[in-house]
Amino acid sequence: DTEVTQTPKHLVMGMTNKKSLKCEQHMGHRAMYWYKQKAKKPPELMFVYSYEKLSINESVPSRFSPECPNSSLLNLHLHALQPEDSALYLCASSYPTDRVTEAFFGQGTRLTVV
Amino acid sequence: GDSVTQMEGPVTLSEEAFLTINCTYTATGYPSLFWYVQYPGEGLQLLLKATKADDKGSNKGFEATYRKETTSFHLEKGSVQVSDSAVYFCALSDLYSGGGADGLTFGKGTHLIIQP
Repeated sequence: DTEVTQTPKHLVMGMTNKKSLKCEQHMGHRAMYWYKQKAKKPPELMFVYSYEKLSINESVPSRFSPECPNSSLLNLHLHALQPEDSALYLCASSYPTDRVTEAFFGQGTRLTVV
Repeated sequence: GDSVTQMEGPVTLSEEAFLTINCTYTATGYPSLFWYVQYPGEGLQLLLKATKADDKGSNKGFEATYRKETTSFHLEKGSVQVSDSAVYFCALSDLYSGGGADGLTFGKGTHLIIQP
């Protein structure tokens, strides 16, 4: 199983709503990532969890709140978003070692903030 | 900091043409290098990788060789198909020692269009 599963695939939310994006992998990977991708742009790193601990936060606004309940699950909690936060949100996972291995990406959640 | 530079395109080719997408990088450490492909409306799929100098990654007819002396990782395919139309991202990861992961540094992506 080399899949990273993201739910939902599409999400439309108002600026006052609270919602969560979910990501799951069963490859035994101990690093998990959230990326944001705008149209015609490369993915931008938001957060990295390594062994269930937040190791990197790329100065992301507090309206985005990550959570890693266990080694297989990663959530991104959203509240009070702005229309400019509309994007494709990608989850990825990999083995964290002293030599890098490839990251596996999910299909993404297409988020629209209205 | 680390960076990846690649031709942005769009690159338009006819079916069965030879493909080269250039990628060069700057890294403080000794990175591993990747090519990812993104089809419309989908996430990123790993196409190929190389972890040390002179390694050649290959998959589905695509190839790229890790050239440390020129800091390059150019993507090539001998005969492209319409189904190869997608966005291709060159990326690197430059891990610190002792475990952990710091995510990927991506190039801006190259939009490839193959015409029948």
